[in-house]
Amino acid sequence: DTGVSQNPRHKITKRGQNVTFRCDPISEHNRLYWYRQTLGQGPEFLTYFQNEAQLEKSRLLSDRFSAERPKGSFSTLEIQRTEQGDSAMYLCASSLGGTDGYTFGSGTRLTVV
Amino acid sequence: AQSVTQLGSHVSVSEGALVLLRCNYSSSVPPYLFWYVQYPNQGLQLLLKYTTGATLVKGINGFEAEFKKSETSFHLTKPSAHMSDAAEYFCAVSSTGANSKLTFGKGITLSVRP
Repeated sequence: DTGVSQNPRHKITKRGQNVTFRCDPISEHNRLYWYRQTLGQGPEFLTYFQNEAQLEKSRLLSDRFSAERPKGSFSTLEIQRTEQGDSAMYLCASSLGGTDGYTFGSGTRLTVV
Repeated sequence: AQSVTQLGSHVSVSEGALVLLRCNYSSSVPPYLFWYVQYPNQGLQLLLKYTTGATLVKGINGFEAEFKKSETSFHLTKPSAHMSDAAEYFCAVSSTGANSKLTFGKGITLSVRP
């Protein structure tokens, strides 16, 4: 068990560019979650998958955001036409179900300049 | 709808003193409640959780929390603070299960004075 892995750890991009983040969950976990955390705030739910199915999306996830989890393994979160307001820490978490709760990754910090 | 209120953004205690971080929640159904800790530039680590059963929950690093339904509270305590406890602490609630969407509070930064 190597934990939840997120890449890259840091990303600096120019406004208007597209960015993609990757999350590798704990291998036996069937649920995968994306959260966004801005400075001084708690994480906010974006979306989650059970296996490859995207079961819920927050209204925070505008049409510039898309998440996928092909084959129910790793997941990607893409942001198109980035804006300065997208600057945040993007956190991924996974879980097995039951009452164990989540395991979070270390996050990807996005800075849009 | 579910929500979490963490009053105050910063708590400072002396090393060896009691730590008390407050959390109040709102949930239309029996909640699942969590405390997470976050160190700088890292993800969140689960300290403890309440799902069902015993209302006093013990977690890692000597922390514990008590679920009080009548007060809609889930305050986090530790009898004796250690320098390594300095971090940001988040309370979270889920109304639909321990592995469903979590709603987090804004967090409290704990400082520990030598």
